[in-house]
Amino acid sequence: QLQLQESGPGLVKPSETLSLTCTVSGGSITSSGYYWAWFRQPPGKGLEWTGSIYYNGITYYNPSLKSRATISVDTSKNQFSLKLSSVTAADTAVYYCVRHLRYFTLASDWGQGTLVTVSS
Amino acid sequence: QSALTQPPSASGSPGQSVTISCTGTSSDIGGYNYVSWYQQHPGQAPKLMIYEVNKRPSGVPDRFSGSKSGNTASLTVSGLQAEDDADYYCSSYAGSNIHVVFGGGTKLTVL
Repeated sequence: QLQLQESGPGLVKPSETLSLTCTVSGGSITSSGYYWAWFRQPPGKGLEWTGSIYYNGITYYNPSLKSRATISVDTSKNQFSLKLSSVTAADTAVYYCVRHLRYFTLASDWGQGTLVTVSS
Repeated sequence: QSALTQPPSASGSPGQSVTISCTGTSSDIGGYNYVSWYQQHPGQAPKLMIYEVNKRPSGVPDRFSGSKSGNTASLTVSGLQAEDDADYYCSSYAGSNIHVVFGGGTKLTVL
């Protein structure tokens, strides 16, 4: 069974870069047709897509993040990562890593989520 | 302000049916058959309940069903059970620029 696990610092200072890694187990990150995404959910609020990557490195980002997000993949480690620069308190959220098919369908595999707080 | 509009709350008694709406535009819900619904219990990750408007992933009870008419998608939960008490979010593919949008969520209370 596929499992996704987020890891990274739980506290980031304003203006710095948030860095998270998702480790995939029970399946290959190079499986054809699957995209690997980051979603986030501010405390008490709804879900927001951050960006997605295909194993060949093609990326798609939420335009609202204004180029602050970078997603990369390391197929040798079966991991993908998120970097979000110039963070503010508005970036405080639970961050989830997710597997989905094209057009964001069949997004049935989610990590447990990790809370990242932006505070000095 | 979420791109898709959901009622903030819905409720029903055990055994009853409840329908949650999700209204978008012709650029998202109305333009594609890629609407998904997620269930989220407090402190847990979202769980996919419906995808591609009306398909259920393996393991999701057939009490959950989805539909779409024009720019509005709907999730119907029949035979309400206590464990259905949760937040529900809709999402839709929105084209190659915006990619995916979400509703603000509906808190379903089983009375």
